[in-house]
Amino acid sequence: DAGVTQSPTHLIKTRGQQVTLRCSPKSGHDTVSWYQQALGQGPQFIFQYYEEEERQRGNFPDRFSGHQFPNYSSELNVNALLLGDSALYLCASSLAASGGPETQYFGPGTRLLVL
Amino acid sequence: QKEVEQDPGPLSVPEGAIVSLNCTYSNSAFQYFMWYRQYSRKGPELLMYTYSSGNKEDGRFTAQVDKSSKYISLFIRDSQPSDSATYLCAMSARANAGKSTFGDGTTLTVKP
Repeated sequence: DAGVTQSPTHLIKTRGQQVTLRCSPKSGHDTVSWYQQALGQGPQFIFQYYEEEERQRGNFPDRFSGHQFPNYSSELNVNALLLGDSALYLCASSLAASGGPETQYFGPGTRLLVL
Repeated sequence: QKEVEQDPGPLSVPEGAIVSLNCTYSNSAFQYFMWYRQYSRKGPELLMYTYSSGNKEDGRFTAQVDKSSKYISLFIRDSQPSDSATYLCAMSARANAGKSTFGDGTTLTVKP
């Protein structure tokens, strides 16, 4: 079992550009959550996808959007990049039926640098 | 004011010491209380979680939750150099278990 995988591992973009990050959940998981972790801070919840729909959203602008595919993998899109979007973007997968955090596994993250 | 505040650290202790990591929170809706360990350039790894109040022990780790004080702690006994990492507390409400609110982490170094 490969666990949660994310691609790419690192990315450098310039202000105003758009970026797409990808996540494959752990085998058997049906829910994907995305988090942004700025340097020296804890992860901040961006949104969660289940059954190909956005189920919950944190306090992030509409520039952040996502998608979940029928195979449960997910993409995070960020438009009009700002310097402040530089961070580690974490994907976490879980099993909706569990109801608790015990099945939530994080991927290694994608480190985005905006110049 | 953040919903979850974590003792900032950094914390440096000798091998074998008892370590105490602490967080406070303000949202009464939180029911799940988690502790994650994060190594440099890696994703967080769930160490243990507690539902509602009480204590939970797992080997050298003990998690405590005091909902009346809105205070949670993680104790590490007989700390080892391999415990050196950033520890993150996180919390979620029962109905939204997938959405977790994290503290900013405490970086721990255990010196041999």
